[in-house]
Amino acid sequence: GESVGLHLPTLSVQEGDNSIINCAYSNSASDYFIWYKQESGKGPQFIIDIRSNMDKRQGQRVTVLLNKTVKHLSLQIAATQPGDSAVYFCAETHVYNQGGKLIFGQGTELSVKP
Amino acid sequence: EPEVTQTPSHQVTQMGQEVILRCVPISNHLYFYWYRQILGQKVEFLVSFYNNEISEKSEIFDDQFSVERPDGSNFTLKIRSTKLEDSAMYFCASGRGPPADTQYFGPGTRLTVL
Repeated sequence: GESVGLHLPTLSVQEGDNSIINCAYSNSASDYFIWYKQESGKGPQFIIDIRSNMDKRQGQRVTVLLNKTVKHLSLQIAATQPGDSAVYFCAETHVYNQGGKLIFGQGTELSVKP
Repeated sequence: EPEVTQTPSHQVTQMGQEVILRCVPISNHLYFYWYRQILGQKVEFLVSFYNNEISEKSEIFDDQFSVERPDGSNFTLKIRSTKLEDSAMYFCASGRGPPADTQYFGPGTRLTVL
């Protein structure tokens, strides 16, 4: 069935280290993926997205990798900072889904130690 | 930078009462969404709305729920007779077009049903 899941519920890293947050998706028809950051008491904040015709996309300090063969998505954060502490969700959808429904994963809580 | 706004930030109601959650989407967006997040769980899709009608709804969005765009700026979610299990954060989101465009989320309304 449709589902997006995360391998690790929590991740603790040292400030300045790189962080890698993983996500597995089961719907092979999904072709658009988004990473959101959610700080406590706030709504999901867009970080970066990637379409299925790409394997990698880079933003400012963030990189998303997509492996369609194993249906795996990852978010890499370079030089992690205390402000990166939050819950990170991946979400998926399909370009022909006219309703635009996003399916969210369970979330990974990233904790950055100073 | 334009953003989605939601009011109230916190709504407390008695079981069986009607509530209306309000959202002001980003002004040039045409697609509008409601999601909810029960405490500690993932974000769940409720409904999408375009051109003054529902595009897609989830199984959660039963007859007790309705959405409306009463004017050119507001987008509302009404729950006719609230239940205890409706207690959650409700997020409004908007975008230029599904699914190829990002959905931007508001800060949420925390609904507590007593």
